[in-house]
This record gives sequence, C-alpha cells and structure tokens, in this order.
Amino acid sequence: GAVVSQHPSWVICKSGTSVKIECRSLDFQATTMFWYRQFPKQSLMLMATSNEGSKATYEQGVEKDKFLINHASLTLSTLTVTSAHPEDSSFYICSAYGAGGGGASYGYTFGSGTRLTVV
Amino acid sequence: QKEVEQNSGPLSVPEGAIASLNCTYSDRGSQSFFWYRQYSGKSPELIMSIYSNGDKEDGRFTAQLNKASQYVSLLIRDSQPSDSATYLCAVKRNQGGKLIFGQGTELSVKP
Repeated sequence: GAVVSQHPSWVICKSGTSVKIECRSLDFQATTMFWYRQFPKQSLMLMATSNEGSKATYEQGVEKDKFLINHASLTLSTLTVTSAHPEDSSFYICSAYGAGGGGASYGYTFGSGTRLTVV
Repeated sequence: QKEVEQNSGPLSVPEGAIASLNCTYSDRGSQSFFWYRQYSGKSPELIMSIYSNGDKEDGRFTAQLNKASQYVSLLIRDSQPSDSATYLCAVKRNQGGKLIFGQGTELSVKP
C-alpha cells in the first residue's frame, strides 16, 4: 500500500531557530500534500495545502511566512517552521493524495507525524 | 457552526458491547466521508470511507451515512480494549479536496 515517510518523528529546538519537516511518498506520486497541526487533546487542524510545483494555499489564520511549505517534486514536500516559539510546539502531520503506477488512485495517506517541542 | 462536529466524549463501553460514534457536518454538498482511529501520540489510521447513503460494513465496523440529515455514524460491534482510542470523523470538501476533521471522540473499552 501507499506509504508516506515523515521525518523527523520528534525534534526539540531552541526558541528562535527554524525546523524543517520532510514528507516523502515512497511508492506513489503525491500530487497534493496537506499539512495538519494537532495540539494535545484537540483534533487535526488543516494548516495548508500544496500542489506539486505550485505555491501552497494556507488556511485562514495560518502565517504563511512562518510556516514555509515547499512541494518541489511529486515525492517530497517540506514544512519549515521559521523562528519557532514555544507556542509552535505541536504534533505536525502530513497527508499525501496522489496516484501510482497503472493509474492507481491513492486516497489520503498520512505520515507518522512529527512532535515538535520548542524550548 | 463547525464544519464537522463530534461528541468529544469520553465514551465508555464494556468489552463486547456496541460502541456508537456520531458525526454531523455542515456542507450539504459533501460527498465523501471517512472514519479514522488515532492512538495517543500516533498518526490517524483509516478505518472506513463511505460515499453513499446507507450502511457499509467491514468486519466489526459499520459506517452509516444519511446525507439528508447530514449525519455520519460508526458502530463498533464486540468492542475490545484495543479499540480504545480517539475516533475522528473527516469530511472531504468539494473544493480543493481538503479533508476536514471533527474534534474526535475518545472511546474507552473496559475489560
């Protein structure tokens, strides 16, 4: 089945630094990547949607200059949290939507998530 | 009004009982609906998808969809302690294909 590899699984960084999270689709082409954030005891909140080769579309209230998304290829999308602060500490999850060989369609495949702690 | 609403719970059922999870959505034009299970600290995993009115069964799980009432439910028969998790209802937006999640219902199955 479709697999999305997300790295790192957890990261601790100092306030003011930047952190990059990668999501790779291993056996299919992710034409669209969705990025979610989840705070403890809360649901997944959609942050942004990116299509390969295009600028990301951000949900209302999400700072696009703080959360930089790059989707330069059909198998790789990255989220960079710039100038991270403790309030950015959260669980970040990517979800890829795309197609594979033979015209197979893959639904929403989630990465394993990244636990970000900003100290 | 939230796009997707669920009772946050927690819902507690004894082992072997039927657990019933409910979800309502606001966009009458929505066509695709999903139930995910999420264990603490883990990513969501897909249980079932449903697109047509009526029931869809897969093993111990049955999803029910009523588009007129804008209502989706998930029944878990013969509940097991391993079913204890948070269950997330998700609805696909027609525009952009975005998947929007409800706040989740925490289920606890007591041995």
